[in-house]
Amino acid sequence: DIQMTQSPSSQSASVGDRVTITCRASQNIRSHLNWYKQIPGRAPKLLIYGAFTLQTGVPSRFSGSASGTDFTLTISSLQPEDFATYYCQQSYTPPYTFGQGTKLEIK
Amino acid sequence: QVQLQESGPGLVKPSETLSLTCTVSGDSISSDYWNWIRQAPGKGLEWIGYIYYSGNTNYNPSLKSRVTILVDTSKKQFSLKLSSVTAADTAVYYCARGRDYYDSSGQSTSFDYWGQGTLVTVSS
Repeated sequence: DIQMTQSPSSQSASVGDRVTITCRASQNIRSHLNWYKQIPGRAPKLLIYGAFTLQTGVPSRFSGSASGTDFTLTISSLQPEDFATYYCQQSYTPPYTFGQGTKLEIK
Repeated sequence: QVQLQESGPGLVKPSETLSLTCTVSGDSISSDYWNWIRQAPGKGLEWIGYIYYSGNTNYNPSLKSRVTILVDTSKKQFSLKLSSVTAADTAVYYCARGRDYYDSSGQSTSFDYWGQGTLVTVSS
């Protein structure tokens, strides 16, 4: 199975901050990487697919980038509704696997 | 608007079979991949498997010996059966649509619509 490792596991930040979350794949997955946001008690929501493409309706303050097997989710200016847990997921090959999650908390 | 809704028992006894159904509305089930994903309390996400509308399936090897996913296109439903459950199978179970996309790296898939999730507890 392809292992996905996210960092950090948790992060404290303030409204207006620029935040980056990193995800590393254990092997080459090209750009087959998706990002999800999950609020407690709710289903995950697709933010970015194909490492770079914003899902319809997702604010432009979210962006994705990639370098080799390292992927980054950036939020340019944190809003109150962005405090949540974020997961990366590889869709290169089944079994599809997720990172362990990054919990974004209010400082 | 695509909507998915899980249904089934919230409590299953150890060694018995967990059975859930996902009902799809707002979209044809005769395309795309239909997935089950679970999340143990306080833990991350685990992909269980998918079924294509044609009936082709792909299961997570870690669960493959116990999992069956079926589709009923006439009812716009797909189902999950997980046999010989233990406490480790206690989780929120989500159904999700897997939609293909195409980019410079070729074809891939993402989970773009999810059900609200249903908690299944394994306990005697």
